[in-house]
Amino acid sequence: EAGVTQFPSHSVIEKGQTVTLRCDPISGHDNLYWYRRVMGKEIKFLLHFVKESKQDESGMPNNRFLAERTGGTYSTLKVQPAELEDSGVYFCASSRTSSYNSPLHFGNGTRLTVT
Amino acid sequence: GIQVEQSPPDLILQEGANSTLRCNFSDSVNNLQWFHQNPWGQLINLFYIPSGTKQNGRLSATTVATERYSLLYISSSQTTDSGVYFCAAHYGQNFVFGPGTRLSVLP
Repeated sequence: EAGVTQFPSHSVIEKGQTVTLRCDPISGHDNLYWYRRVMGKEIKFLLHFVKESKQDESGMPNNRFLAERTGGTYSTLKVQPAELEDSGVYFCASSRTSSYNSPLHFGNGTRLTVT
Repeated sequence: GIQVEQSPPDLILQEGANSTLRCNFSDSVNNLQWFHQNPWGQLINLFYIPSGTKQNGRLSATTVATERYSLLYISSSQTTDSGVYFCAAHYGQNFVFGPGTRLSVLP
């Protein structure tokens, strides 16, 4: 089966601009997660979708970040306007269910650089 | 919430050496995964291991859930093993990551 796909792999934007990241989960996976690793620090949870619904968005840093998953398939994460501290690697992961016996499968990440 | 700790934070090995990485978690977890972030930034799933021991080639992992820790063993290390190793504990409906162990394997 195809893995989790993220696009773009790299993005370099200027402070104040807008960037949209896309994630295509593994087919049939209802659960989709966004994580990020900023400045080489820990990998932090951003939010969790179950199908098209936001199950948990407690990790979203502020209202400059907007995630959507229309139709319960792919998801987008928009940063508007981008700030310098948003630079880092944004990971998407999917799992078949949210139960404990369903492993996470990660995409290759999008490396975002805000200058 | 749960705290996930990893040790050591940094590890430098000579090629061919063995190593043990540790992951401690502060509360009971539903499951645990080990990942390797390679130098290209990709997160590779190594083990999905709620308890017991699993082996995959030169790597093996053991989780003792009752004592709230997991170990990752790397034997006969190779330069391609370099990168950051993360453990992630499944807690509630989410995975919480440890800070990682940065491994450098020298030729």
